[in-house]
Amino acid sequence: AQSVTQLDSQVPVFEEAPVELRCNYSSSVSVYLFWYVQYPNQGLQLLLKYLSGSTLVKGINGFEAEFNKSQTSFHLRKPSVHISDTAEYFCAVSEPLKAAGNKLTFGGGTRVLVKP
Amino acid sequence: DVKVTQSSRYLVKRTGEKVFLECVQDMDHENMFWYRQDPGLGLRLIYFSYDVKMKEKGDIPEGYSVSREKKERFSLILESASTNQTSMYLCATGGLRGQGALGYTFGSGTRLTVV
Repeated sequence: AQSVTQLDSQVPVFEEAPVELRCNYSSSVSVYLFWYVQYPNQGLQLLLKYLSGSTLVKGINGFEAEFNKSQTSFHLRKPSVHISDTAEYFCAVSEPLKAAGNKLTFGGGTRVLVKP
Repeated sequence: DVKVTQSSRYLVKRTGEKVFLECVQDMDHENMFWYRQDPGLGLRLIYFSYDVKMKEKGDIPEGYSVSREKKERFSLILESASTNQTSMYLCATGGLRGQGALGYTFGSGTRLTVV
């Protein structure tokens, strides 16, 4: 069974500082990996995804993530955050080519609070 | 863009009531999902469907059922609502069966309070 662990439940950060959100997963097969963002009172929006190829993935709003197979990690980074990045961030994993459909397994989420 | 519409943004129901949460998508996606979101627990899968009249249990199906009579509509049913079902419920839709979740589209959520 797949599982996803987000190591930090909350991350306070000052505006224009860098931020890193950590995500580790466990799976017995190769996976697809995702980061979603949820702004207050909204649904989830896809930030970026890793399917195959380059291990450094760039997403929207200046975010990027690096897939590390040996460490089973998919950490999300942004070099300089804005107040508008205040949100909750979710890491998720899916197993590809699952015959009976496919589903995402999510981590517990990381709340990012950007302070002026 | 795929649009996923959840019929209610906020709901307040009484313990023991039968509750219907509706989700409609405007694309021809086969897969539809219901998750609940609770602080610190992230999103947990309740049920999903990969075709009309098909349904699969997710990780926490107890106390819930679903209905998918048409491809575009996926309903979550709480047979007898209880206070521990107070939560945010999120519907999602995604591509073709067997393609490993190439990015889902989520609705805005329904915040259900059971009193």
